[in-house]
Amino acid sequence: DTEVTQTPKHLVMGMTNKKSLKCEQHMGHRAMYWYKQKAKKPPELMFVYSYEKLSINESVPSRFSPECPNSSLLNLHLHALQPEDSALYLCASRDYRGRAFFGQGTRLTVV
Amino acid sequence: AQSVAQPEDQVNVAEGNPLTVKCTYSVSGNPYLFWYVQYPNRGLQFLLKYITGDNLVKGSYGFEAEFNKSQTSFHLKKPSALVSDSALYFCAVRDGRTGFQKLVFGTGTRLLVSP
Repeated sequence: DTEVTQTPKHLVMGMTNKKSLKCEQHMGHRAMYWYKQKAKKPPELMFVYSYEKLSINESVPSRFSPECPNSSLLNLHLHALQPEDSALYLCASRDYRGRAFFGQGTRLTVV
Repeated sequence: AQSVAQPEDQVNVAEGNPLTVKCTYSVSGNPYLFWYVQYPNRGLQFLLKYITGDNLVKGSYGFEAEFNKSQTSFHLKKPSALVSDSALYFCAVRDGRTGFQKLVFGTGTRLLVSP
């Protein structure tokens, strides 16, 4: 199994809503990532978890709250988002050779 | 700071012709370099990496990349392009300042292969 699975694939939420993005991998990777990608732009790193502990937070606003319940799961909790937060949110995990494996992403639209 | 630059927003090539997508890097220390491909509305897929060893790195789908230390370049190449190679290509470098946890991407190059 070389997949990173993200759910949902699409999400539309209002600015007062609370929602969560989910990411799952069963490759035994101990580093997991959240990236944000705007159209025609490169992915921008948001958070890195290493061995289920948050190791990098790229000064992301607190309306984004990551969680790593176990070594296979990574969540991103969303609350009070702004329309400019609309983007493709990508999850990735990294193997011991340094290769990152990406999920297909969640297309988020904030209305 | 570790960074990569992709000087071309778009590369056009006819099917069957060789293709090159350019990338230059700026790192302190030894570079850990990667190429990823992204198809529309999809996540990124790993193509190949360079850490040490041979300057010519072979990867997935017939792609290869040439590491050139003197020119600080890591260009992606393929001898014969396919229409299905049309996608967005990202060069990336792993940042040694964060224990190599952080992957920094270039701005991306759109490859269009015409029939």
